[in-house]
Amino acid sequence: GENVEQHPSTLSVQEGDSAVIKCTYSDSASNYFPWYKQELGKRPQLIIDIRSNVGEKKDQRIAVTLNKTAKHFSLHITETQPEDSAVYFCAASLNSGNTPLVFGKGTRLSVIA
Amino acid sequence: DGGITQSPKYLFRKEGQNVTLSCEQNLNHDAMYWYRQDPGQGLRLIYYSQIVNDFQKGDIAEGYSVSREKKESFPLTVTSAQKNPTAFYLCASTARQTNTGELFFGEGSRLTVL
Repeated sequence: GENVEQHPSTLSVQEGDSAVIKCTYSDSASNYFPWYKQELGKRPQLIIDIRSNVGEKKDQRIAVTLNKTAKHFSLHITETQPEDSAVYFCAASLNSGNTPLVFGKGTRLSVIA
Repeated sequence: DGGITQSPKYLFRKEGQNVTLSCEQNLNHDAMYWYRQDPGQGLRLIYYSQIVNDFQKGDIAEGYSVSREKKESFPLTVTSAQKNPTAFYLCASTARQTNTGELFFGEGSRLTVL
C-alpha cells in the first residue's frame, strides 16, 4: 500500500521568512496530493491540493509543487505569519474522493514573531 | 449549519470497557472515515465506509468495530481488545461523486483509558 514520508517533523522560522515542508510517496499510481493544516485544538482543514497532471499550484502565500518522477511533493509558505503556526499534514491517494487518504506524520511549524 | 458532529468530546473509561464514539454528518456525503491521531504519528486510518451497510478495514483496525446503518452516521466502538486505546479520534467525510476529494473533519473525541 501507499506510504507517505514527511520532513521535517518540526520547523521554526522567523516571521516573514519562508517555510518548506517535503513529502515523498511510494505508490507511483497515486494522483491526488492534498495538504491539511491543524491549528492547536482544532480539526484539520484542507489548505491546498494538487493532482498529478499539474506540476505546481499557488494560492496567495502558499504553493505546492509535485515531482512525479521523483515521487515527492512540497508545501511552500512565503512571508510567514504567526497565524501560520500549526501542524501541517501531507497526504496521497488514488482517485480523489474514492480511496482513503494516506497521511504523513505531520510537521509542527512555529513562526516566531 | 452543515458539518460533522462528534461526541463526546472527552471520554474517560476504565481498562477493559468497550466505548462507542458517535459521528454524525449532515453534508449528504457518501464516504465516512475514522482516523486515530497520536503525537508524532500523523493520522492513521481505522475504518472507512463508502456506502451504507458497507465498510472496510484501514491500517489499524484491530480492536475497533464500526457500523454504517444510515448515511449520516458512522459510530466507532473501541473494544477491550484494543491494546492502547488512549488517543484522539477524528471522524471525516467526503463526497465520493465530486472531484474535490476534500475531507471534512469533525472536532474529534479524546479518549483516555484509566
